[in-house]
Amino acid sequence: DVKVTQSSRYLVKRTGEKVFLECVQDMDHENMFWYRQDPGLGLRLIYFSYDVKMKEKGDIPEGYSVSREKKERFSLILESASTNQTSMYLCASSFRQVSNQPQHFGDGTRLSIL
Amino acid sequence: GEDVEQSLFLSVREGDSSVINCTYTDSSSTYLYWYKQEPGAGLQLLTYIFSNMDMKQDQRLTVLLNKKDKHLSLRIADTQTGDSAIYFCAERRLNDYKLSFGAGTTVTVRA
Repeated sequence: DVKVTQSSRYLVKRTGEKVFLECVQDMDHENMFWYRQDPGLGLRLIYFSYDVKMKEKGDIPEGYSVSREKKERFSLILESASTNQTSMYLCASSFRQVSNQPQHFGDGTRLSIL
Repeated sequence: GEDVEQSLFLSVREGDSSVINCTYTDSSSTYLYWYKQEPGAGLQLLTYIFSNMDMKQDQRLTVLLNKKDKHLSLRIADTQTGDSAIYFCAERRLNDYKLSFGAGTTVTVRA
């Protein structure tokens, strides 16, 4: 079974802090994704990566950056956390081929910015 | 996202069938997915359908696709309390490995 592991289930940080969310997958997937989930808005793509050191902006990249130094690990960085970044963050991974390759999700990190 | 739309809530009695509807806008969508999210958890892939299919059945789940109307539905037969969750519809477009998700339908199963 595919395992996508997010380092924290719950996280509380203060406004202005630099926040790191970590995600690790064990299936040698090329693609990795970061989403945020807000009630009534569904999942919105922040950034994704299709290979080591490669990244592309999603729909809402402002205020975020990412790092992919190793294939299995994809980090989301909030450079200076703000209260409007309080949300559920979901990491996902998939194979690169554009056939039917579903995304597999971690359990999410619920981040609160005070 | 606004390209994929779902109603937000559905209440169903235990033992009845649930039908969750989804509409999408991009005719180049190749695969359409249904994911389930239980409270406090991530998304679990339930099933998917390729755009050249009309129907797919998997145990209690039936997916219907009307490509002309760009309408997708998920039917859950004999709905159980464990089916209470948020259900997300998602589309994958041609030559794209990103998914576009709907806002999710919260299904509540009442006794």
